[in-house]
Amino acid sequence: EIVLTQSPGTLSLSPGERATLSCRASQSVSSIYLAWYQQKPGQAPRLLIYGASSRATGIPDRFSGSGSGADFTLTISRLEPEDFAVYYCQQFEDSSWTFGQGTKVEIK
Amino acid sequence: QVTLKESGPVLVKPTETLTLTCSVSGFSLNNPRMGVSWIRQPPGKALEWLAHLFSNDEKAYSSSLESRLTISKDASKSQVVLTMTNMDPVDTATYYCTRSHPRAGVAFDIWGQGTMVTVSS
Repeated sequence: EIVLTQSPGTLSLSPGERATLSCRASQSVSSIYLAWYQQKPGQAPRLLIYGASSRATGIPDRFSGSGSGADFTLTISRLEPEDFAVYYCQQFEDSSWTFGQGTKVEIK
Repeated sequence: QVTLKESGPVLVKPTETLTLTCSVSGFSLNNPRMGVSWIRQPPGKALEWLAHLFSNDEKAYSSSLESRLTISKDASKSQVVLTMTNMDPVDTATYYCTRSHPRAGVAFDIWGQGTMVTVSS
């Protein structure tokens, strides 16, 4: 089973700053099967990025995804107040999905 | 509008079997290449994928929980059912059903609101 490790665990930033979140896989992952989600307290997760770099419907262009192989990145170019949340990466292989442990982006 | 809604017991006792129902609307469970997964999240913890039902009726399960899980569908009722046997307090979590849509690859583009299940005697 592929393990996804996200870093950092918590990111303390101010509105307007750039956020860079990392997701590292225990082995190479097909980029088409790498996704990112945002989750706010008391809410279900929301799909942000699929295929490593494609934004889901309605997602602002300040969110971008990149990477390949075993290293992937979610970047939020300028943090808005509504972006403070927990972010999860996810991968799919051999009819199995796994999630990272999450990165919390909090207000500094 | 596409929606998914989970339903089931709020409280189950240890060793009991949990049965959760996901009622979907706005799309057909027979639609090719779409699927439905169950995912759970213990309080304060990360998401954990449990099981997936593909549109061709093939099923996939988390390797760590496979012996306890069964996923099935009743397309006529637009429902996907998950059963989990031998419940334990560590299974206390919010359980979500989600949809995978081909336009998002195998990612989950629509989520239900989730249903909180507590396992306690």
